[in-house]
Amino acid sequence: QVQLVQSGTEVRKPGSSVKVSCKFSGGTFSDYVISWVRQAPGQGPDWMGGISPLFGTTNYAQKFQGRVTFATDESTSTAYMQLSSLTSEDTAFYYCATEHLGEMTTLGYFDYWGQGTLVTVSS
Amino acid sequence: DIVMTQSPDSLAVSLGERATINCKSSQSVLYISNKKNYLAWYQQKPGQPPKLLIYGASTRESGVPDRFSGSGSGTDFTLSIGSLQAEDVAVYYCQQYYITPITFGQGTRLEIK
Repeated sequence: QVQLVQSGTEVRKPGSSVKVSCKFSGGTFSDYVISWVRQAPGQGPDWMGGISPLFGTTNYAQKFQGRVTFATDESTSTAYMQLSSLTSEDTAFYYCATEHLGEMTTLGYFDYWGQGTLVTVSS
Repeated sequence: DIVMTQSPDSLAVSLGERATINCKSSQSVLYISNKKNYLAWYQQKPGQPPKLLIYGASTRESGVPDRFSGSGSGTDFTLSIGSLQAEDVAVYYCQQYYITPITFGQGTRLEIK
């Protein structure tokens, strides 16, 4: 059974950056696309994009382009998400999830989720 | 971007009764060439990540109870929960994966009456 375990709570000041990790187990890491979804308190989920460990390709949502970087380390089956130039509006839970691609598309639905990492941005 | 609009925002249903949640997309999420709708439903309980219930508009994820069903095509979709159980109290979200960016609905909060 696939399991995703994320790093712990982070507190950052405005203008700084944060890096969240997501350790994969229970399957073959390179078989999956790992996506990142954030959820502000009381809001719906917001897709940030995904990365294919096999191909090394990334797909960033335009609203985060230039501010977010995804990476993977196949030796430890870990995915990373770094978000820079933080503002209070970036305060949210950040989730990694495996993205099951739909047929004939590069997008998909999310079948396994990490437990979430709370990132708080406050001066 | 495709806007996903759910209705109602909140819903109270008696135990054992049927709950129905609607989701409307601002453009069709039906892929004509394979006749598949790229629409998923999730359940989220407090303090937990979303849990996948339905994909392809009507295919139940493995392990999801059969009281959960999805229907619809094109732009109009429905999640039905037959015979509501206490453990079904949650927020429900629809999500389209037809075109980038992937977008979610605003959520429907389901409570027990």
